[in-house]
Formats: sequence, C-alpha cells, structure tokens
Amino acid sequence: GENVEQHPSTLSVQEGDSAVIKCTYSDSASNYFPWYKQELGKRPQLIIDIRSNVGEKKDQRIAVTLNKTAKHFSLHITETQPEDSAVYFCAASPPNDYKLSFGAGTTVTVRA
Amino acid sequence: GAGVSQSPRYKVAKRGQDVALRCDPISGHVSLFWYQQALGQGPEFLTYFQNEAQLDKSGLPSDRFFAERPEGSVSTLKIQRTQQEDSAVYLCASRLYGTGFPGELFFGEGSRLTVL
Repeated sequence: GENVEQHPSTLSVQEGDSAVIKCTYSDSASNYFPWYKQELGKRPQLIIDIRSNVGEKKDQRIAVTLNKTAKHFSLHITETQPEDSAVYFCAASPPNDYKLSFGAGTTVTVRA
Repeated sequence: GAGVSQSPRYKVAKRGQDVALRCDPISGHVSLFWYQQALGQGPEFLTYFQNEAQLDKSGLPSDRFFAERPEGSVSTLKIQRTQQEDSAVYLCASRLYGTGFPGELFFGEGSRLTVL
C-alpha cells in the first residue's frame, strides 16, 4: 500500500515568515494529494489539494507543489499568522482508490 | 446537522469491556471511513463503507473490531474486550462520492477512547 512520510515533525516560525512542509510518497500511481489542518482538539479539515495533472496550486497564502518524478509534494504557507498554528497532515491516494494514506503530521507554531 | 457527528466524544473503558462508537455522516454522502489516530500520529485507515456495503476492512487491527452501516447512513464501530493499546481517537469521515472519485473527506471531531 501507499506509504507517506512527512517532515519536519515540528516547525516553529516567526509571525510573518514562511513555513514549508514536505512529504514523500511511495506509490508512483498516486494521483491525489490533499493537505489537512487539525487545530488542537478539533477535527481535521481540508485546506488545499492537488491532483497529479498539475504541478502547483495556490489559494491565498497557501500553495502546494508536486514533483511526480521525485514523488514528493510540499505545502507552503506565506506570511504566517498565529491562527496558522496547528498540526498539518499530508495524504496521498492512488487512482480508483478510496482511502487516503496520511503522513504523521507537522506541528506548526507561529510565534508572535 | 451540517457536519459529521460522532458520539460519545470521550469514553473511558476498563480493560475487557466492550464499547460502541457512533458516527452520523453528512446526509447523502456515499462513502464513510473510520480512522484511528494515536497520539501524535496521523490518522490510520480502519475500514470503508460505500453506502451499506463494507468494501474494505483491511485496517481493522483484530477481530475484536467490528463496524457496520446497515442502512447506508449511520455507522457504528464496535470494539470488544478492549485492550490498552486500543486507546486512541477514532475518527469518522464521509465523502460525497464513492470509489474512483477522490475528494474532500469531512471528518467528525472524533471519539477519544481511553482504556484503563
């Protein structure tokens, strides 16, 4: 099955700086890569996703890049704000599959 | 309700007790998933339903775990003879479409199980 590795496990940034989280996946057939944000004690929520037919996607301060050859994808958060503090999970799913395989998560702390 | 609802939010069980965790998915969602989330880890897949059919139960850790979705809406995850290693947050998620159509998973807030 799909195996997703995520790093770093923790990330502390100064407010206003950028944060980057990287993930690698094992199944070259995977074609769907979402990112979920989980605030303390809350449910995971989708913040952005990308499919394998594009290399980059942006939504305001967040962007995701995908390198299919290297089998890795990254989340970029610019101009970080305190409300960006949370645990972020990457995930991957092969085509015609139904289940997501998640990374172990990155705890992001934005220092004021 | 507008979102996925899970109950109970917190459950403390003595080792050996049986527990039942309930999930109310978003109305009309075809797919329903159960995930297990250990402390400091990402969600791990347990089982998948498409409507009332359980298409995949490969992630269930042992035969003490059982899940059902008899009418294609509400689902129950049952754990028999609980062990300490079962302590985790159990997340339910639903998705509008079935297999072959990846898309957003809508998660519930989870049921935190502590086995003493």
